[in-house]
Amino acid sequence: DADVTQTPRNRITKTGKRIMLECSQTKGHDRMYWYRQDPGLGLRLIYYSFDVKDINKGEISDGYSVSRQAQAKFSLSLESAIPNQTALYFCATSVGLAGGSYNEQFFGPGTRLTVL
Amino acid sequence: GNSVTQMEGPVTLSEEAFLTINCTYTATGYPSLFWYVQYPGEGLQLLLKATKADDKGSNKGFEATYRKETTSFHLEKGSVQVSDSAVYFCALSAQAGGTSYGKLTFGQGTILTVHP
Repeated sequence: DADVTQTPRNRITKTGKRIMLECSQTKGHDRMYWYRQDPGLGLRLIYYSFDVKDINKGEISDGYSVSRQAQAKFSLSLESAIPNQTALYFCATSVGLAGGSYNEQFFGPGTRLTVL
Repeated sequence: GNSVTQMEGPVTLSEEAFLTINCTYTATGYPSLFWYVQYPGEGLQLLLKATKADDKGSNKGFEATYRKETTSFHLEKGSVQVSDSAVYFCALSAQAGGTSYGKLTFGQGTILTVHP
C-alpha cells in the first residue's frame, strides 16, 4: 500500500539539542506538510511544500526549518529544541493542483517529541 | 483569515446513542469541508468530505451536510459504537485561487468516548 511513514515514532531529547524528524511517502504526491498537535489546539501548520523547489512557512514556523530532499522526502528540523516544542508532529501529503480539487491530505502516524 | 470552530468536548456517550459534533467555519467563497478522525495512537484519516454547498458527506454511518447559509458542517451518527471512540477534527480547504489554497485549517478537535 502507498503510505506515509515517519521516523522516529518517539523521541526524548534535551533543551538545546538539534533534532530531525523525517517523513517519506510512496503515494507519488507532490505536496507535503508538517503539523504539530497540542491538546485543545488542533493541528497547526509548520511548513509546507508544493513541490521539491517550493517551501513555504506555515502559521508557526519559528524555531523550525525543513528540507525537501526529493519528491518523496520532507524533513523537519528543530535547530535548538526547547520544552514548548514538546508535541505530536504529523507529516501529511496531498496531490498537486492538477490532480485534486479538494486537497484531501493523507497523514503519517506521527512522532511524539518530548523536550526536557 | 480562515478559521474552524468545533463544539467543546470531551463528549461521552453510551453505545447506540445519537451523536452530534458541531462545526462552524469562517472563510471566503466556497471552501471544501472535511471531517478527520484520529484513533488512539494513530495519525489522522479522512472520515468524510463535502466540496460544495448542500453536499452531504457520509462514511461508516457518519454524515455531515455542507450548509453555506449557516457556515456549518455538523457531524452526526445515529447509533455510536465503542469503536467510534476517537478524536474528531473538522477542517476546511480554501477555494481555489486564493492565497490559502492547498492548505487545511483545522478545528481544535473533539474527544469522543463511547461506553458499552
